[in-house]
Amino acid sequence: EAQVTQNPRYLITVTGKKLTVTCSQNMNHEYMSWYRQDPGLGLRQIYYSMNVEVTDKGDVPEGYKVSRKEKRNFPLILESPSPNQTSLYFCASSSHGEGAFFGQGTRLTVV
Amino acid sequence: TQLLEQSPQFLSIQEGENLTVYCNSSSVFSSLQWYRQEPGEGPVLLVTVVTGGEVKKLKRLTFQFGDARKDSSLHITAAQTGDTGLYLCAGASDTDKLIFGTGTRLQVFP
Repeated sequence: EAQVTQNPRYLITVTGKKLTVTCSQNMNHEYMSWYRQDPGLGLRQIYYSMNVEVTDKGDVPEGYKVSRKEKRNFPLILESPSPNQTSLYFCASSSHGEGAFFGQGTRLTVV
Repeated sequence: TQLLEQSPQFLSIQEGENLTVYCNSSSVFSSLQWYRQEPGEGPVLLVTVVTGGEVKKLKRLTFQFGDARKDSSLHITAAQTGDTGLYLCAGASDTDKLIFGTGTRLQVFP
């Protein structure tokens, strides 16, 4: 079954404690991206990757890091989380010109 | 900065009614995608329209891409309670970057 898998689904953490949200896709897609979704602001792109070892900033990259060492995986790293990073996060993957497949989401709370 | 404005933001209707959601931009996109999102889940792709003026039908849903590839509409005929959800349009650039609209929250009552 074609899917994008994110883990964990829910996470509560404290300010400053490094965390990683994993994302994996099984469709051999070149393009992967991370979004955050906040009430009234919609889906905003954090980082994207057009292929292995190629990553670039999206619209709201501050406070986040990513890596793309393998085609299927695209982890999102928060080195020092802050409360303003409390949000619903989605990973997505796609092939060129095709629609995106989204993961189930990760609800992150930073206290 | 490219912006996609959706209207209306909220729509509350009864089963059997028709509705149209609009997605407008001042920018040209290589394609326009529509997604539906249920609470607590990721958006699910409904359709991609690529050619200016293109019309696609998915059962009771009709999607249209504007001639200038800057705007799109989603029309639902005889809405059902199962159509309830958040509808998102997204414009794609040549590099596959997606710009999302702010969404239309549809509630269909029995």
